[in-house]
Formats: sequence, structure tokens, C-alpha cells
Amino acid sequence: TQLLEQSPQFLSIQEGENLTVYCNSSSVFSSLQWYRQEPGEGPVLLVTVVTGGEVKKLKRLTFQFGDARKDSSLHITAAQPGDTGLYLCAGENGNNRLAFGKGNQVVVIP
Amino acid sequence: NAGVMQNPRHLVRRRGQEARLRCSPMKGHSHVYWYRQLPEEGLKFMVYLQKENIIDESGMPKERFSAEFPKEGPSILRIQQVVRGDSAAYFCASSPRVTGAETQYFGPGTRLLVL
Repeated sequence: TQLLEQSPQFLSIQEGENLTVYCNSSSVFSSLQWYRQEPGEGPVLLVTVVTGGEVKKLKRLTFQFGDARKDSSLHITAAQPGDTGLYLCAGENGNNRLAFGKGNQVVVIP
Repeated sequence: NAGVMQNPRHLVRRRGQEARLRCSPMKGHSHVYWYRQLPEEGLKFMVYLQKENIIDESGMPKERFSAEFPKEGPSILRIQQVVRGDSAAYFCASSPRVTGAETQYFGPGTRLLVL
């Protein structure tokens, strides 16, 4: 059973377009983290959200944590080829174990 | 400030051999976590350690796998008598302390291939 479901699994868009990917769960999390992973590398932390309803912005990336702390979304504005990668969400519920989704593979075409 | 370091980056073993994976946490971090990423799967938690203590090993296979984080030196994930199903990317993460939502920072991983 996958604790965190990420959708869509794969998304291909043209440079300059906007996109949103989702991370959903039936479980409540104390915090949720978004990472980006390049082929052959480890996950690189983008953001941590801890408060229900919280919105964080990182340049063209906007992260939202659901009010009930069960889901999250990542919105990218004016996507660039450098945004290509596997976006992973991971939830933590007080036991220091991160539960990961399978990821959203994003491809931005120049 | 160096990040989490793992070595080797790639490891090839034949069935039945032992694999030793090393992880040096970020400076100032005393908590280490190991995760495994199988092909087409998400990262799965294996074990959480502090210096000289295993805190949570609920994600470790019952046999052949062990982990340690000695007082001095890196954390070691050891896989004895490897089988083809152990082929995966193994990631180590570290955090400074545990008081709530502590972010975990990941290393580049060790890709283990069992022939």
C-alpha cells in the first residue's frame, strides 16, 4: 500500500507553461517535504511545510500544504528546461520515518 | 559545509558476497537514516540510528541486513550474502536532532548491482 499517491506520474510540457502536481494521502502528517531527484543522484530538498494551509514560495515554485495536512501540491510557473526532474513528496508523522510517494516525473521541452 | 557523503557510489557484487555501504552525515548531524529505492518504486525507510544506537529498524529485512553508527567514523549498512533482489539504490540521510519536523538531507546514494 502506497501511503502517498503522487499524480500525475508523468508530465511533459513546453517551456513557459505552468504546471501543478499533487501529493495525496489518507493519513495526517506532522510535516511534508518536497524533494527533486535527478538521474543517478540523491533527493535534494526543496521545501518543508508543517502547518495546515501553509503556502511557501521558492522562486517560480509554489508549495501548498492542505488544511487537514493530508495532501500537498507543487505549482511551477513559466517552467524552464532546468525544472525537469523527479519531484518527490515525503510525509513525516512524528516517528522520524519519511514515507515517500513514487514521484512526479516532469519533463520541460525547450 | 559538506553535505552527506556516501561511498562507494557504485558497487557490484556477485551473489553470496557481502556489501558494505558507508555514510558520513553532514557536519553537526547526529542522526542517520537509511532508505532503499528499488526500480520503479519510491524510497522506503530501512533504519534510523543515532551514535552507537539503533533507534528504529522496523524497515530492515529480518535477515542478512545490519546497520551501525559507531562513536567514531561513518555509518555502515551491511548486506551479507547478497541476492539479485538486493540490487537497488541505497540512500543515507542525516538530520541535526529530533525535536519535531526535522528536515532530512540526503546523500547521492550507492547503486548496488548484484550479478
